[in-house]
Amino acid sequence: NAGVTQTPKFQVLKTGQSMTLQCAQDMNHNSMYWYRQDPGMGLRLIYYSASEGTTDKGEVPNGYNVSRLNKREFSLRLESAAPSQTSVYFCATLPGVTNNEQFFGPGTRLTVL
Amino acid sequence: LAKTTQPISMDSYEGQEVNITCSHNNIATNDYITWYQQFPSQGPRFIIQGYKTKVTNEVASLFIPADRKSSTLSLPRVSLSDTAVYYCLVVGTGGFKTIFGAGTRLFVKA
Repeated sequence: NAGVTQTPKFQVLKTGQSMTLQCAQDMNHNSMYWYRQDPGMGLRLIYYSASEGTTDKGEVPNGYNVSRLNKREFSLRLESAAPSQTSVYFCATLPGVTNNEQFFGPGTRLTVL
Repeated sequence: LAKTTQPISMDSYEGQEVNITCSHNNIATNDYITWYQQFPSQGPRFIIQGYKTKVTNEVASLFIPADRKSSTLSLPRVSLSDTAVYYCLVVGTGGFKTIFGAGTRLFVKA
């Protein structure tokens, strides 16, 4: 089992470009999350999906959109990238209501010039 | 969601026990306390969770007093490989919306 996978691992964008970060899981978990982590800082929640078909804003949703395509996949889209979005992006999953253990992917390192 | 407060950093030596305390004064009745460990360039890894009293697993113990306004993660006999950032989270029922704080940077010296 691959667990939580993220693509791409690295990406460099120019200001104003758009891109989609992909996250997929093979653990049959209900909930999925997108976080960003700036250098030397903690993680900040961007969006989350409690279950297939639902998405909700986290702490820092501005400038991002998400799609919970199916139970396995949760994508994060930057419509018009800005230098302030330079960060490491982590996807995570949560099994269900009674289990609070989140499983994290390896991260996508994004640089916006 | 309850806000958490942890020390920014801690130093220790190999073989010592390390205790990291987190305060969460506004914890709600149904909230759980969870702790994560993060190494550089990796995503966080779940360590332990608890609701009250004491929980122990193969890597750590979690102590929660009766009022649940704080919790202490205890790492027995740390080694150099325990150098990492440790996050305390208070998680509501279902754990859907989770807020990571700044974490505690633990540096273990030889």
